[in-house]
Amino acid sequence: SAVISQKPSRDICQRGTSLTIQCQVDSQVTMMFWYRQQPGQSLTLIATANQGSEATYESGFVIDKFPISRPNLTFSTLTVSNMSPEDSSIYLCSVEAVGGNGYTFGSGTRLTVV
Amino acid sequence: AQSVTQLDSQVPVFEEAPVELRCNYSSSVSVYLFWYVQYPNQGLQLLLKYLSGSTLVKGINGFEAEFNKSQTSFHLRKPSVHISDTAEYFCAVLPMNYGGSQGNLIFGKGTKLSVKP
Repeated sequence: SAVISQKPSRDICQRGTSLTIQCQVDSQVTMMFWYRQQPGQSLTLIATANQGSEATYESGFVIDKFPISRPNLTFSTLTVSNMSPEDSSIYLCSVEAVGGNGYTFGSGTRLTVV
Repeated sequence: AQSVTQLDSQVPVFEEAPVELRCNYSSSVSVYLFWYVQYPNQGLQLLLKYLSGSTLVKGINGFEAEFNKSQTSFHLRKPSVHISDTAEYFCAVLPMNYGGSQGNLIFGKGTKLSVKP
C-alpha cells in the first residue's frame, strides 16, 4: 500500500497565525483526503483534493479557513488559517489504498493553538 | 446515510485477558467495514477489513472481527491482549458505490483500550 509522509508531526501555534501541513505520497494517487480529529472525537472529513481542480469541502468547512493545494499526483497541503484554540486537533491526510476499497493514512499533525 | 456506533468509549482489561470491542452500523446501502488502530501520538493504521466472502476476518497483531449482517455488527476481538495493544480503536464503514467514486469513510467515535499489567 502507499506510504504517506506527513509533516510537521506536531506544532504549537499562536492564535491568528496560519499553519501549512504537507503530505507526500510515494505513488501517484487520484484523490487525497484531509481529516480532522478533535480532542476526544472521531475523524471528520474536511475536504477531498483532486489534482488539477478545486478541492471539494464537506459541510461546515470552507476554503478560506482550510485552503488546500494539490499541485501534482503525489503531494498536497492543507493550511489552517487564522487559527483559534478551537482549531487544536490532529489533522490527517489519507489516500485510497491500492486496488480500492480502503484508505491509508498519514501519521497525523498534532496542532495546539495557544 | 451511514452511521457507526461504538458502544464503549473506554475498555480497561488486564493483560492476557480476552477483549471484544463492539461496533454497530447503520446504512441504506451495502458497505465495506474496517477497523483502524491509533497508538498514542501516532496516525491511523489499518487493523483489518471486510470486503466480501468469509464473515470472520483476521487482521494484524492477532485481532479478528466478525461481520454479522443481520445484526449490522462488526465486533473486534482478541483472545489475549498485551500491554502493547493499548491504543484507540476506530470502526469505519465505506459505502459501496457502483459506478461512482469510492465514497468516504464514516468513522465511529472510537474505543480506548487500556491494558493493565
